Amino acid sequence: KAGVTQTPRYLIKTRGQQVTLSCSPISGHRSVSWYQQTPGQGLQFLFEYFSETQRNKGNFPGRFSGRQFSNSRSEMNVSTLELGDSALYLCASSLATTSGGLTYEQYFGPGTRLTVT
Amino acid sequence: KNQVEQSPQSLIILEGKNCTLQCNYTVSPFSNLRWYKQDTGRGPVSLTIMTFSENTKSNGRYTATLDADTKQSSLHITASQLSDSASYICVVSARYGGATNKLIFGTGTLLAVQP
Repeated sequence: KAGVTQTPRYLIKTRGQQVTLSCSPISGHRSVSWYQQTPGQGLQFLFEYFSETQRNKGNFPGRFSGRQFSNSRSEMNVSTLELGDSALYLCASSLATTSGGLTYEQYFGPGTRLTVT
Repeated sequence: KNQVEQSPQSLIILEGKNCTLQCNYTVSPFSNLRWYKQDTGRGPVSLTIMTFSENTKSNGRYTATLDADTKQSSLHITASQLSDSASYICVVSARYGGATNKLIFGTGTLLAVQP
């Protein structure tokens, strides 16, 4: 079974631009969560999508948005990029929503390394 | 404020030795606690998940413990191998509004195993 895939793996953008990252979950998984990882802050939760609906959201500005398609693939968009957005963006998939009362295993992709100059 | 603190920040041990990583949390209401291993340049991989009623769980040479009363968890690695060199992240899930979980991440412990 193929794992979680993320594209692109590396990206360089300039301040003010926007970027779209893509995540394909493990086949059969319906939940996709996005995280930002930086050396200083560690892993921080951005949002989770399940059945094309945002189920949970972290404390990030509205410049960060996402969506999920009917095939469970998800995209994350960051508009008006800032230098501080440079980070590793990870997505994780699970069978069902991790925002619910039950415990589901999350499987992470390799991440997209975004550099903003 | 919900927080997860890990110690030590970094650790160097010799191959074959045991080590223990600590995770203290102030997350409430508690739902579950996870330990992840993250190799450099890769996404985290789950090692264990423990709910309130579980106080120990093993995954090969990795053994996690949970004391829900003191809000502490530890990850014990037995007979370390060079491939254990990685960052180990503790993640605590809090349950809000009855059915909504929120994940709070620790900043990780960077382990280096030397030959």
